Amino acid sequence: DAGVIQSPRHEVTEMGQEVTLRCKPISGHNSLFWYRQTMMRGLELLIYFNNNVPIDDSGMPEDRFSAKMPNASFSTLKIQPSEPRDSAVYFCASSLSGLISGNTIYFGEGSWLTVV
Amino acid sequence: DQQVKQNSPSLSVQEGRISILNCDYTNSMFDYFLWYKKYPAEGPTFLISISSIKDKNEDGRFTVFLNKSAKHLSLHIVPSQPGDSAVYFCAARTGDSNYQLIWGAGTKLIIKP
Repeated sequence: DAGVIQSPRHEVTEMGQEVTLRCKPISGHNSLFWYRQTMMRGLELLIYFNNNVPIDDSGMPEDRFSAKMPNASFSTLKIQPSEPRDSAVYFCASSLSGLISGNTIYFGEGSWLTVV
Repeated sequence: DQQVKQNSPSLSVQEGRISILNCDYTNSMFDYFLWYKKYPAEGPTFLISISSIKDKNEDGRFTVFLNKSAKHLSLHIVPSQPGDSAVYFCAARTGDSNYQLIWGAGTKLIIKP
């Protein structure tokens, strides 16, 4: 069974450019998470979707960040314009109904973003 | 405000011995705890979890212990194997959220042959 699929795995872009990260959650999962991992702040939840609806976007750093989930099998995280401090690993994760009843979340392999 | 703390950035253990990874927390509202393992260039993978109503959960070589009075949990790996070398993250959920996990900074475990 396929896990969470993210693309691109690696992205190097120049400051000011738009970056779009993509995610395909595990089939049948109705909860989707976007996380960011940095050395300074560790793993941070950026946004949480349930049934394709954004439930909590309080972790999105600023207006330059936006996320969409047009259907149950696809989500994007967009940064426009990108800045060097956005350099990090971005993880997409999915689960069946969040963390209810002892569920766990399954992570993709991450998208490594470098903004120069 | 670090609600979940993993105070040891790294730990080195001889193959075959027991590895003990520790995690401390400050929020008494946490009701569910998880351990994840992460290899380089991969996403975290779920390892084992424990509910706050229990004090121990075991899965093969992995056992998690929860001491609520001390706000402390530990992950025991017995016996340690080379493939266990990875970064281990402790995470906690509060009872009023069904999606928010608070993560520790991770402990890098190195198993020496």
